[in-house]
Amino acid sequence: QSALTQPASVSGSPGQSITISCTGTSSDVGGYNYVSWFQQLPGKAPKLIIYDVTKRPSGVSNRFSGSKSGSTASLTISGLQTEDDGDYYCSSYTFTSTSNWVFGGGTRLTVL
Amino acid sequence: QITLKESGPTLVKPTQTLTLTCTFSGFSLSTIGVGVGWIRQPPGKALEFLTLIYYNGDQRYSPSLKNRLTITSDTSKNQVVLTMTDMDPVDTATYYCARRPSSWYTLDFWGQGTFVTVSS
Repeated sequence: QSALTQPASVSGSPGQSITISCTGTSSDVGGYNYVSWFQQLPGKAPKLIIYDVTKRPSGVSNRFSGSKSGSTASLTISGLQTEDDGDYYCSSYTFTSTSNWVFGGGTRLTVL
Repeated sequence: QITLKESGPTLVKPTQTLTLTCTFSGFSLSTIGVGVGWIRQPPGKALEFLTLIYYNGDQRYSPSLKNRLTITSDTSKNQVVLTMTDMDPVDTATYYCARRPSSWYTLDFWGQGTFVTVSS
């Protein structure tokens, strides 16, 4: 069982927008603004698309955006494209005695 | 250009020790704040953080696997080594190494991953 909770799957049509949620606790998502999102296309390594809740690394499309409310973070993908089809994982740094990263269970995005 | 690449055995037997090497380029593990870590992904399952070593030698471990993991670094060779003892078939997974950049609490560059099968 993963530390952060994500829906198993979401779907949308090209051009639409979708949102993926990521629920944690006050020790991780809710306590700090260190939530990241990763995109994993089939057969590929994860790719960072959002860090520090809302920031995009250089080169990442502005169709990807992040937000947070309490202990739930969200990833929104606008203007869905077929190449967005894949798995999306949230992650948070956790300032516990072990201070490390926790991941969500992943969400499969299907672009219909 | 930042790259990371994992190397090591593709098949290990149950109870054996797994040793994987992450060889990186384009950055230095001597830079303040930088770290290199390991994350694994069983087939069809989610990512799982294993361990990370910082520029100053500080180490972080997954609480559930701490007793089986060791991470070391050789800054002169630009390498980080993961050792996992007492391997079991449930440890069959793709093992990734990734960089923690100096200023952010995230993992910004990942290796391509190496698939390790645990079977007799």
